[in-house]
Amino acid sequence: EVQLVESGGVVVQPGGSLRLSCAASGFSFNDYTMHWVRQAPGKGLEWVSLITRDGGSTFYGDFVKGRFTISRDIRKKSLYLQMNSLRAEDTALYYCATETDCIFRSWGQGTLVTVSS
Amino acid sequence: EIVMTQSPATLSVSPGERATLSCRASQSLSSKLAWYQQKPGQAPRLLIYGASTRATGIPARFSGSGSGTEFTLTISSLQSEDVALYYCHQYSTWPPGTFGQGTTVEIK
Repeated sequence: EVQLVESGGVVVQPGGSLRLSCAASGFSFNDYTMHWVRQAPGKGLEWVSLITRDGGSTFYGDFVKGRFTISRDIRKKSLYLQMNSLRAEDTALYYCATETDCIFRSWGQGTLVTVSS
Repeated sequence: EIVMTQSPATLSVSPGERATLSCRASQSLSSKLAWYQQKPGQAPRLLIYGASTRATGIPARFSGSGSGTEFTLTISSLQSEDVALYYCHQYSTWPPGTFGQGTTVEIK
């Protein structure tokens, strides 16, 4: 069974940094492009970032503007999102998701990031 | 950027009745459209991809149709467990595609 477990979400002050993690199990981690998708409270889904299967390519939403870095560790079967210069508008539930053929196949339960002073 | 517009925003349907959700794209997608279900307090789940292919384990009462710019998700006989937010997502332009704003399905 595919399992994605996010962690690392906390309350952080504006301008602060945070590293989110997503632990994968139950599938071949190497076979999937991995994504972060976020959902602000009461709002819809917003794509954040992706990293290809081998980690060779990464892409980001326009709003990231160089503040976030996605990475993966194949040996640890884990996905990461380093978030710097956080803003109030980054407050959201952050999901990791697997993707093949441009379709989000499985999603974790999310980890909540709150940016507030 | 392709804009996805879902309607209605909220749909109230009696148990056992048909629910029809619409998703319109600002330009043609061919069939590169997926539907996701998000139950209260849960993560999204893939329902439909390729506009009409049910994902593994999805009940047959869920069906998708359409191509080009007009798409429909139909729940043939609404069950209480179908109360959720439903999002369409176009992946004609990738990454990352575009999500619609969602339709809430509730029990009348």
